Amino acid sequence: SQTIHQWPATLVQPVGSPLSLECTVEGTSNPNLYWYRQAAGRGLQLLFYSVGIGQISSEVPQNLSASRPQDRQFILSSKKLLLSDSGFYLCAWSVRGLVTGELFFGEGSRLTVL
Amino acid sequence: RKEVEQDPGPFNVPEGATVAFNCTYSNSASQSFFWYRQDCRKEPKLLMSVYSSGNEDGRFTAQLNRASQYISLLIRDSKLSDSATYLCVVVHTGGFKTIFGAGTRLFVKA
Repeated sequence: SQTIHQWPATLVQPVGSPLSLECTVEGTSNPNLYWYRQAAGRGLQLLFYSVGIGQISSEVPQNLSASRPQDRQFILSSKKLLLSDSGFYLCAWSVRGLVTGELFFGEGSRLTVL
Repeated sequence: RKEVEQDPGPFNVPEGATVAFNCTYSNSASQSFFWYRQDCRKEPKLLMSVYSSGNEDGRFTAQLNRASQYISLLIRDSKLSDSATYLCVVVHTGGFKTIFGAGTRLFVKA
């Protein structure tokens, strides 16, 4: 069966510090991968998606970046965090080539920037 | 204009009530539609897919109207455990760009 792991689960970072969130998927190959952010009391905002190694599409201009160094690994980074980067970050995957597009989410990473 | 719009609620209903949520989307090229459920401080999970012919799963019924670009979710005989945020989801042609609405909050009271 497929599983998705995301870490760290919780982190508190000062403004201006770097960020690295990691996500890995097991039990499937060539998945579509996604990073979403959910601010407190808000909906999910699509940040990045990837259809293959090294292929990253950015949806929102920001100080965040994403990388996909391996087929089932997706990393979200920032060189200098802003207060507005606080939120609940969710990694997700979907099956490549299927038109249904159902997403499977990790348990999320809750980031507080102080 | 947001690509997927939902009434944020909250909807406060008694147990046993029937409640309906609506959602509109702006991209006519959208190809797949879903309702997800998100419990407080948890990740979203798929509730059901939405088809033009309608889709029923127990107490839940979802409907799609492509002409009006409108999606609905009906919950019958509400349970306390139905309290959550319901997210309307639209997938673009190609199957990989997935857009979430901001969600509708439901509170079911005893």
